[in-house]
Amino acid sequence: DTEVTQTPKHLVMGMTNKKSLKCEQHMGHRAMYWYKQKAKKPPELMFVYSYEKLSINESVPSRFSPECPNSSLLNLHLHALQPEDSALYLCASSLTMTGDYGYTFGSGTRLTVV
Amino acid sequence: GESVGLHLPTLSVQEGDNSIINCAYSNSASDYFIWYKQESGKGPQFIIDIRSNMDKRQGQRVTVLLNKTVKHLSLQIAATQPGDSAVYFCAESRGGTSGSRLTFGEGTQLTVNP
Repeated sequence: DTEVTQTPKHLVMGMTNKKSLKCEQHMGHRAMYWYKQKAKKPPELMFVYSYEKLSINESVPSRFSPECPNSSLLNLHLHALQPEDSALYLCASSLTMTGDYGYTFGSGTRLTVV
Repeated sequence: GESVGLHLPTLSVQEGDNSIINCAYSNSASDYFIWYKQESGKGPQFIIDIRSNMDKRQGQRVTVLLNKTVKHLSLQIAATQPGDSAVYFCAESRGGTSGSRLTFGEGTQLTVNP
């Protein structure tokens, strides 16, 4: 298995809802990442997990809450989002925490906040 | 500040021509660069990478050149095909004790005309 799988592919949520995005990889990668991508912009790093521990938080608002239950799974819990949070949320993984062997991206979850 | 950027936002070529996409970076300590292709509605797809101890690396129909003197890298696509139409990002990977950051440039939209 050489893929990063993200679910759901599309999500529409209200500003008072709570939802979660899920990311899964079975490549034995030890680092996992969440990126946010707005239309016609590059992906921007949100969080980094290294060996299942949160190692980097790029000053992301607390309405985004990451979780890494095990080495294969990464979740992003969403609560009280704003319409401007609508974006493509990408998950990625890398074999090592230094990223020396590249990064594999999932296809993303297209999130719309209404 | 540190940044990874591209010279041109759009590039239009004829099918069969060679394409060249450029990227400039500002952090002279950068030592690992990756080119990604992103098609509409999909996540970034790895194309080719290069480390700072190399000047050139070739793949299938793609070549990456790195000029450390002027902090510039380029992606060359030979015999461009309609399936090559996508947004291309250069990205810089920087590893640290707390994990690695993959920072993307702004992207170039490549359009291949039949």
